[in-house]
Amino acid sequence: GIQVEQSPPDLILQEGANSTLRCNFSDSVNNLQWFHQNPWGQLINLFYIPSGTKQNGRLSATTVATERYSLLYISSSQTTDSGVYFCAVEIQAGTALIFGKGTTLSVSS
Amino acid sequence: GAGVSQSPSNKVTEKGKDVELRCDPISGHTALYWYRQSLGQGLEFLIYFQGNSAPDKSGLPSDRFSAERTGGSVSTLTIQRTQQEDSAVYLCASSLEWTGASYGYTFGSGTRLTVV
Repeated sequence: GIQVEQSPPDLILQEGANSTLRCNFSDSVNNLQWFHQNPWGQLINLFYIPSGTKQNGRLSATTVATERYSLLYISSSQTTDSGVYFCAVEIQAGTALIFGKGTTLSVSS
Repeated sequence: GAGVSQSPSNKVTEKGKDVELRCDPISGHTALYWYRQSLGQGLEFLIYFQGNSAPDKSGLPSDRFSAERTGGSVSTLTIQRTQQEDSAVYLCASSLEWTGASYGYTFGSGTRLTVV
């Protein structure tokens, strides 16, 4: 089956720093999404981004489908950005998302 | 409802007992998904319901696991003869059928299952 690999597995930042999270996938995909799981376990959908670039405030994401990777950029990080960031891919339309193992981000003040 | 509702939020059960976990999706969402997250791990797909189509059960780890979705709305995940390795957070999500624009999963807060 498809492999979804995220890096780095863990990231520690000082408040105000920028970071880039990466998601590699081993086969072509129909859809890619980024999620944030906060320290209380709630999962929030950040981006639906099968290709191209999107921005939402301090967060932006880029997917290069032909090279099978996606990047999530966090600028001017805040303590509320802490948690686990998951990349998830849909192999074909109408199938469930397959999740990577996540990047755990800790932002300290 | 306003969000995806799961109940109970916590469940402690004895090994060998059966448990039922409930998910109430967002009204109008045709797709419903169950995932399992073990401590410190990613999300493991279990089962997917889409409208009136036959569910995708390819992620169910054993025949002790089953799920139903009644009337295209509420879903129940049943685990029979629970084992300690079943301990995990069980997450439910729902989404609109893809319209060609964009869509996203909305997750519930999960049910934390502990088998003792």
